[in-house]
Amino acid sequence: DAGVTQSPTHLIKTRGQHVTLRCSPISGHKSVSWYQQVLGQGPQFIFQYYEKEERGRGNFPDRFSARQFPNYSSELNVNALLLGDSALYLCASSLGGRGENYGYTFGSGTRLTVV
Amino acid sequence: AQKVTQAQTEISVVEKEDVTLDCVYETRDTTYYLFWYKQPPSGELVFLIRRNSFDEQNEISGRYSWNFQKSTSSFNFTITASQVVDSAVYFCALIPTRGGSQGNLIFGKGTKLSVKP
Repeated sequence: DAGVTQSPTHLIKTRGQHVTLRCSPISGHKSVSWYQQVLGQGPQFIFQYYEKEERGRGNFPDRFSARQFPNYSSELNVNALLLGDSALYLCASSLGGRGENYGYTFGSGTRLTVV
Repeated sequence: AQKVTQAQTEISVVEKEDVTLDCVYETRDTTYYLFWYKQPPSGELVFLIRRNSFDEQNEISGRYSWNFQKSTSSFNFTITASQVVDSAVYFCALIPTRGGSQGNLIFGKGTKLSVKP
């Protein structure tokens, strides 16, 4: 069975550009969460989507947005990229909307470098 | 405030040594959940254990063991007879059940463990 898949694995963008990251959850999982992990730090929560609705949002600027599609896959969009957006972006899927009940399974991430 | 502190940034041991990774958490919730994840160089976070706030029993899984103490708000992780394959960054995380962060993982900064042969 496929785990959580993320694409692309690596990406280099220029300041001011826009980027779209993609995530496919484990089959049957209806919740997708996004985390940002800056080098040397723990992951920070960005968004959670469950059944195509936003369930939670972390302390990130409006340049960050996301959505979930009918097949439960998800996109994370970041506009007007800054150097500080360089990070590993992790996607996590969960069976239900309450991660504490079902646990989270993570993908290998997309490493974004902004130059 | 909801917070997880992993005071040890890096630990280096020689194979077969025992090692304990410390985790201290802060929350005002009476119900919460604690996790440990392992992050190898590939980047994927690998789930190790989940514990809820009402279950203070210590747990052992092979060479891994966890010591949960509510009195000191700690959830420490011990690897017995460490192996080179244990080298990774280990994260402790909290899921609160109230407030803006409810249902989502709050991670510590991680402890990088290097096990040398």
